[in-house]
Amino acid sequence: AQRVTQPEKLLSVFKGAPVELKCNYSYSGSPELFWYVQYSRQRLQLLLRHISRESIKGFTADLNKGETSFHLKKPFAQEEDSAMYYCALGTGGTSYGKLTFGQGTILTVHP
Amino acid sequence: GAVVSQHPSRVICKSGTSVKIECRSLDFQATTMFWYRQFPKKSLMLMATSNEGSKATYEQGVEKDKFLINHASLTLSTLTVTSAHPEDSSFYICSARPRGGGSSYEQYFGPGTRLTVT
Repeated sequence: AQRVTQPEKLLSVFKGAPVELKCNYSYSGSPELFWYVQYSRQRLQLLLRHISRESIKGFTADLNKGETSFHLKKPFAQEEDSAMYYCALGTGGTSYGKLTFGQGTILTVHP
Repeated sequence: GAVVSQHPSRVICKSGTSVKIECRSLDFQATTMFWYRQFPKKSLMLMATSNEGSKATYEQGVEKDKFLINHASLTLSTLTVTSAHPEDSSFYICSARPRGGGSSYEQYFGPGTRLTVT
């Protein structure tokens, strides 16, 4: 069965510091990985997906199949990055279109 | 664009009663809607997948007779919690996948509904 693990429930950094939110997955097939973000009092929204290989709001994430990881990184954190971040896994097949979410990491960026 | 609404945003009901939560795609048609449950400071747990015009597919461990899902149109899905009990208190979130969307995983989330059963 598929699983997504985000080992850190809470992560605090100071403004301007680098930040890395960890995500590891377990899946035997070919995965699609996503990062979702939920700002305070707002709904969940897609931040980025590994297929796009893009940088959104300064965030990047690289899929490492050898380590089964999809860590989210930003070189210089900003206060507005404070939010809940979820890593999600899409597994295709009979689960086509469905996502499995990690437990989430609350990122706090201090001024 | 791609806005999903949920109604109500908050609901309090007495134990034993039923409560209905609506999920609407406001500016697009959704062939598939997903219902999630979110426990405090925990992950979103997929409860069921709802396809327009067909029966919902429930995840393992989710009671289909307790959580009734109806997807009557391409813009509306409803979740009815029947004979609610305090342990059903939670945050329920829906998402909708656009018809003809580019990615099979493209989905837009509603703001959620806080259910409290007293």
